[in-house]
Amino acid sequence: DIQMTQSPSSLSASVGDRVTITCQASQDISNYLNWYQQKPGKAPKLLIYDAFSLETGVPSRFSGSGSGTDFTFTISSLQPEDIATYYCQQHDNLPFAFGPGTKVDIK
Amino acid sequence: EVQLLQSGGALAQPGGSLRLSCAASGFTFSSYAMSWVRQAPGKGLEWVSTVSSNSESTFYADSVRGRFTISRDNSENTLYLQMNSLRAEDTAVYYCAKGGPTVLSPFDYWGQGTLVTVSS
Repeated sequence: DIQMTQSPSSLSASVGDRVTITCQASQDISNYLNWYQQKPGKAPKLLIYDAFSLETGVPSRFSGSGSGTDFTFTISSLQPEDIATYYCQQHDNLPFAFGPGTKVDIK
Repeated sequence: EVQLLQSGGALAQPGGSLRLSCAASGFTFSSYAMSWVRQAPGKGLEWVSTVSSNSESTFYADSVRGRFTISRDNSENTLYLQMNSLRAEDTAVYYCAKGGPTVLSPFDYWGQGTLVTVSS
């Protein structure tokens, strides 16, 4: 089974800061990597699919990159509404696996 | 507008059973794989099960295989999760999620979630 790791587990940043989260897969997953945002008490929301493709309606300050085993998720200018937990997930093979999440809050 | 409306969450005793439902609208339900993902209290997301668009293929996490059954009724646009032999560790919010035309696809829409509590 493919295992996913994320770092950091949490971060605190100021409004307007650039925020970067990394995700690593235990084996090559090509570009089959997605990023989800989950706000407290809400369902997850797909932001980025296939490593770098922005889901329709998602603000362009969100972006993704990487391939193989190493991936990066970036918020170019953190906004108050971006407070959430972010998860990576691989869909290269079953069982699907999520990373443990990165909690982002405002400093 | 895509909508996934969940029902069926409740309190169950260890060893008991529950059935979750997920009513879909706003898209051609029969053309897409569907999945269940759960989240234990204060924990991360865990994939539970996926069914292909035509029900030919079903897939399960090791933690639920043999106890849970995923199914769908394409005539009623509804996804189900039959949960038997429930354990305390099955306590979680369960989400249904829409996939793509193939099983190996991102989850692009999610239901609102339904809480399952397993306790005596």
